[in-house]
Amino acid sequence: EAQVTQNPRYLITVTGKKLTVTCSQNMNHEYMSWYRQDPGLGLRQIYYSMNVEVTDKGDVPEGYKVSRKEKRNFPLILESPSPNQTSLYFCASSSAGTSGYEQYFGPGTRLTVT
Amino acid sequence: AQSVSQHNHHVILSEAASLELGCNYSYGGTVNLFWYVQYPGQHLQLLLKYFSGDPLVKGIKGFEAEFIKSKFSFNLRKPSVQWSDTAEYFCAVSPYGSGNTGKLIFGQGTTLQVKP
Repeated sequence: EAQVTQNPRYLITVTGKKLTVTCSQNMNHEYMSWYRQDPGLGLRQIYYSMNVEVTDKGDVPEGYKVSRKEKRNFPLILESPSPNQTSLYFCASSSAGTSGYEQYFGPGTRLTVT
Repeated sequence: AQSVSQHNHHVILSEAASLELGCNYSYGGTVNLFWYVQYPGQHLQLLLKYFSGDPLVKGIKGFEAEFIKSKFSFNLRKPSVQWSDTAEYFCAVSPYGSGNTGKLIFGQGTTLQVKP
């Protein structure tokens, strides 16, 4: 089954404690992105990757890091989480092909930073 | 800057009422357009998409949208809503052309509540 998976689905942590949210896709997509969803703001792109070892900042990259060492994985790293990073995070993947960059979303990770 | 604006933030309808959710975008070039739906507690699912051709596109669950290029709009419609359509709806635009990164720009979302 074609899918994007994220782990963990729920995470409560404390300020400053480094964490990683994993994302994996099995569709051989070149493009992967991370978004955060906040009430009234919709989804905002944090980082994106056009292929292995190619990443760039989205609209709200501050406080986040990413890496793309393998095509299927795109982890999101919060080196020193702060309460303003409490949010719902979605990973997505897409392919240029015929899908016109239609993005497939993971189930989301709800992060709470206290 | 590129942006997407959804006019209605919260819509309440009774079952069988007709639905139209507005979406406008600001980008002068070619775009791909999408509507996504997020049911309570779930991830985003694609409702429909427009790439080219017939500006009236049909999606899943009886939804359709019309692309009006001159108005930079991509409004979502459904003739008769059901209680199960209660969800949050997002309009999204993918700017096309050189430097395309597959980036999606989302609107703020519209929460639809359908009363039985």
